[in-house]
Amino acid sequence: DAMVIQNPRYQVTQFGKPVTLSCSQTLNHNVMYWYQQKSSQAPKLLFHYYDKDFNNEADTPDNFQSRRPNTSFCFLDIRSPGLGDAAMYLCAVSGGLETQYFGPGTRLLVL
Amino acid sequence: AQSVTQPDIHITVSEGASLELRCNYSYGATPYLFWYVQSPGQGLQLLLKYFSGDTLVQGIKGFEAEFKRSQSSFNLRKPSVHWSDAAEYFCAVGVIQGAQKLVFGQGTRLTINP
Repeated sequence: DAMVIQNPRYQVTQFGKPVTLSCSQTLNHNVMYWYQQKSSQAPKLLFHYYDKDFNNEADTPDNFQSRRPNTSFCFLDIRSPGLGDAAMYLCAVSGGLETQYFGPGTRLLVL
Repeated sequence: AQSVTQPDIHITVSEGASLELRCNYSYGATPYLFWYVQSPGQGLQLLLKYFSGDTLVQGIKGFEAEFKRSQSSFNLRKPSVHWSDAAEYFCAVGVIQGAQKLVFGQGTRLTINP
């Protein structure tokens, strides 16, 4: 059974049109992460929530925001997508200091 | 600063042959070490992890890894690869900064020849 679910799996948006990606978990873990992965590169951490505490990476562009309305759900909002934001977006969860479990990812295409 | 190096960007092996993927890390404390596998268009799947204890760690799909503190290495091995093992493999070190954060190597792409 899927533990980390990401919707949609594929998302096409237009240049500058806001888009929201969704992640949910069935593990009830404290921490939820968002990563950006471009082709042939390692995942790059954008930010994470530890419970309700939001932690942004220093080099994450302001164009990327996140919301966590409850333990199970976390959203990634891209306010004005540019062509350079086309990537795979991965959600992961962990119990804090333990292993991170990843979802299947959402591939974003920007036209 | 913490870092992970995977020296081999791309490796090709024949089906049934043995495999070793190299990983070296730089971290001041006792590391949490991970190997993840990623098939095309998919998320990352945990193969195995080392937190403490026995330095030879068994994982899923017949993989194992050995932690060698003296060499700062955590190499991944499999005695006989299958065509389904073709994928991208990432080594990572877990860094505790509030929550655990992963520092990834650049990945090794594994191709299997029939």
